[in-house]
Amino acid sequence: DVKVTQSSRYLVKRTGEKVFLECVQDMDHENMFWYRQDPGLGLRLIYFSYDVKMKEKGDIPEGYSVSREKKERFSLILESASTNQTSMYLCASTPAGGTEAFFGQGTRLTVV
Amino acid sequence: TQLLEQSPQFLSIQEGENLTVYCNSSSVFSSLQWYRQEPGEGPVLLVTVVTGGEVKKLKRLTFQFGDARKDSSLHITAAQPGDTGLYLCAPDGGRDDKIIFGKGTRLHILP
Repeated sequence: DVKVTQSSRYLVKRTGEKVFLECVQDMDHENMFWYRQDPGLGLRLIYFSYDVKMKEKGDIPEGYSVSREKKERFSLILESASTNQTSMYLCASTPAGGTEAFFGQGTRLTVV
Repeated sequence: TQLLEQSPQFLSIQEGENLTVYCNSSSVFSSLQWYRQEPGEGPVLLVTVVTGGEVKKLKRLTFQFGDARKDSSLHITAAQPGDTGLYLCAPDGGRDDKIIFGKGTRLHILP
């Protein structure tokens, strides 16, 4: 059974903390994505990686960075968490040229 | 970035009714995917449509890709409470494989 696994379902962090969200896929996919989902705004792409150590900014990269040191793992980093980063974060992966995105179960992050 | 519009944004109907939701764009796509997301979970792929005019059926769900491959519709016959969820469309990623989603239609089927 193919899987995308996010390290936490729920996370509560304080303003100013450095936050790491981890995502691992076991399908040997080239592409990995981080989205955030907010009511009324849909899924918005934060960052995208098409290969190890390669990344591209999505529509809303401000306040975030990413790391992809291994093919199966894509990390989203909030350098200094702020309350407006409270959201549902979703990780996804696709093979190169593929169209079907496989999603993790999401991490609901609350910044207080 | 292509603009995808999904309509309606919200839909609440009684069990047993029929409904149609839409995904529209001014861009032409090679393919388009429909996903359903249940509360607290990630989206799951329902179907991919590829050919202009294509119709695909998944039990009570009928998906159509527009002739010009710019739009798509999802029709649900005799809606059930289990159909409740957020329905998202996304075109293929294009040359750079980047997948962008519409804002979705939030569907609530009342028992």
